[in-house]
Amino acid sequence: DVVMTQSPLSLPVTLGQPASISCRSSQSLVHSDGNTYLNWFQQRPGQSPRRLIYKVSNRDSGVPDRFSGSGSGTDFTLKISRVEAEDVGVYYCMQGIHWPFTFGPGTKVDIK
Amino acid sequence: EVQLVESGGGLVQPGGSLRLSCAASGFTFSVYWMSWVRQAPGKGLEWVANIKEDGSEQYYVDSVKGRFTISRDNAENSLYLQMNSLRADDTAVYYCGRDLMDSWGQGTLVTVSS
Repeated sequence: DVVMTQSPLSLPVTLGQPASISCRSSQSLVHSDGNTYLNWFQQRPGQSPRRLIYKVSNRDSGVPDRFSGSGSGTDFTLKISRVEAEDVGVYYCMQGIHWPFTFGPGTKVDIK
Repeated sequence: EVQLVESGGGLVQPGGSLRLSCAASGFTFSVYWMSWVRQAPGKGLEWVANIKEDGSEQYYVDSVKGRFTISRDNAENSLYLQMNSLRADDTAVYYCGRDLMDSWGQGTLVTVSS
C-alpha cells in the first residue's frame, strides 16, 4: 500500500500567522491521465471531514482562499496564509490513485 | 445541495452482521463512484471500499475483503455496506462519500463488542 506521511503531526499556531503542513507519499501520485491525485481534508472537532483541496492545488467550493496546496510527484504542502480560529482541527492528505486509497496520519492544528 | 445520510450503525457482537445504508440526494447518484471510509475512535481515516457508477466494479481494503460487501441501488439513490463476521477492530464511525470524498455524510457509529 502507498504510505502517506505528514509533518508535523502537531502544529500550534498563532492567530493571523501562516501555517504549513507537509505530506509525502511512498509512490508517485501522477496518473497516466496527467493528473496528480492528492487531496487535503479538514476535520474540525466533532465534525465529519470535508475536502479542502483536490488534485494538489484546486480548492473546493466554499473553501477560503487562505488555503492553498502545492507540490508534485511525491511531495506536497498545504498552506494556510493566516490562521483563523475556525481552522482548528486535524488535516489529512490522501492519495487517490493507488488502491487502496490511503490517508496520512493527520496533523492536529491548534491555537497557541 | 449534496446530501449523504448514513444509517444502520449500532452495537453488535463479535462475529455478527450489520448493513449500513447511505441515502443520497442533491446530485445525479448514478454517475458517481461512491465510497465508504471509516474512523476508529480517536484515530485517523481509513478507506474501506468503493464502487463504480453502475456497480460493476468494487474495491476493498485488505482488512475487510471477504467480510464486507459494498453495493448500490441507483434507482433508490442508495449506497450500502453489508458487514459480516465483524471484529472489535471494525469499531468505527463509517462515512459514505461521493467520488474521492468530495462530499461526506455525518457518519454512523458501529461498535463491535460483547
